[in-house]
Amino acid sequence: EAQVTQNPRYLITVTGKKLTVTCSQNMNHEYMSWYRQDPGLGLRQIYYSMNVEVTDKGDVPEGYKVSRKEKRNFPLILESPSPNQTSLYFCASSLVRQGNDEQYFGPGTRLTVT
Amino acid sequence: KQEVTQIPAALSVPEGENLVLNCSFTDSAIYNLQWFRQDPGKGLTSLLLIQSSQREQTSGRLNASLDKSSGRSTLYIAASQPGDSATYLCAVVSSNSGYALNFGKGTSLLVTP
Repeated sequence: EAQVTQNPRYLITVTGKKLTVTCSQNMNHEYMSWYRQDPGLGLRQIYYSMNVEVTDKGDVPEGYKVSRKEKRNFPLILESPSPNQTSLYFCASSLVRQGNDEQYFGPGTRLTVT
Repeated sequence: KQEVTQIPAALSVPEGENLVLNCSFTDSAIYNLQWFRQDPGKGLTSLLLIQSSQREQTSGRLNASLDKSSGRSTLYIAASQPGDSATYLCAVVSSNSGYALNFGKGTSLLVTP
């Protein structure tokens, strides 16, 4: 089944404790990205990657890191999480080919930083 | 910067009604527009994708139209059912956005039996 998977689905952590949220897709998509969703603010892009070893900042990159060592994986790293990073996080992927560039989303990771 | 607005913010209709959800965007230089459905606390499910060169797309009871020049899209849901209750999100990819989706805040739909 074609899908985007994220782990963990739920995470409660403390301020300053490094964490990684994994994202994997099995559709051979070049493009992957991370969004966060907050009440009243909607969905905002954090980082994106056009292909392996190619990453760039989205609208709200502060406090986050990413890497793209393999085409299928795009982990989101919070080196020193803070309470304002409490949010619902989504990973997305797409072929980015004209006429066939629908974006697919993972199930989400709900992160709470205390 | 691209701004996407969805009206209404919330909608409650009885089962069986046809309904229209509206989406507007400020910059007509878009690559495509995508409609999503989100159930409470869940992920986003893609419903329809309209490329900038297209006028509409249909899937089952759903029909989405795009008027790029006026910066508008509508999602038409025919014969609504209680299972259609969810939040519907409109998102556009602008030509200079690096394929980022700019989302509206969504329309929360409740279909009552």
